[in-house]
Amino acid sequence: QKEVEQNSGPLSVPEGAIASLNCTYSDRVSQSFFWYRQYSGKSPELIMSIYSNGDKEDGRFTAQLNKASQYVSLLIRDSQPSDSATYLCADFISLGAGGTSYGKLTFGQGTILTVHP
Amino acid sequence: EAQVTQNPRYLITVTGKKLTVTCSQNMNHEYMSWYRQDPGLGLRQIYYSMNVEVTDKGDVPEGYKVSRKEKRNFPLILESPSPNQTSLYFCASSLSEGYGGANVLTFGAGSRLTVL
Repeated sequence: QKEVEQNSGPLSVPEGAIASLNCTYSDRVSQSFFWYRQYSGKSPELIMSIYSNGDKEDGRFTAQLNKASQYVSLLIRDSQPSDSATYLCADFISLGAGGTSYGKLTFGQGTILTVHP
Repeated sequence: EAQVTQNPRYLITVTGKKLTVTCSQNMNHEYMSWYRQDPGLGLRQIYYSMNVEVTDKGDVPEGYKVSRKEKRNFPLILESPSPNQTSLYFCASSLSEGYGGANVLTFGAGSRLTVL
């Protein structure tokens, strides 16, 4: 069973709309969650991280985490064609003691987002 | 410029011919990792290293070897490549800052490998 599942794509939204990307995870000890954006032919780049329940906003991006439901999402407001990319959700589980950052990052399969003019 | 450098970026090889994909980072990062990316499967971890001489298997280590003799370098070795290792490979590194700094990975540009 895959540990991190993303909503199946591809997702297509019109310019200016809100794009909603969803992710569920199976391991209750997951501590941190990340959203990466990957343009075609490029490497993933981090756009959002979230550690606590609730919402975290950064510009047009809002990450939402619900640990009870094991659910994390990314909302992109006022979507632009330049937002068209694959979005990867990842969870982080520490492998060390005492809150070390050493750990395992597990990625979902990615959701392809297309924003059309 | 802070970066993770992978070489080669593109490689076509034949079954059984040993190859090495190099990875080097200039950020003094302790943690380094290799991933492969295949359509519909996302990024899957092959091996990772928490520091010099400390390596461990990820989710898909079969057919791969790694070494970490220096902090900056983390080569990926395919001793006898097979067609099912045709994939896009990413090296990544991160700075250990404790919980909260967490595992913010910096990725290399990727190496596209084709095994015939």
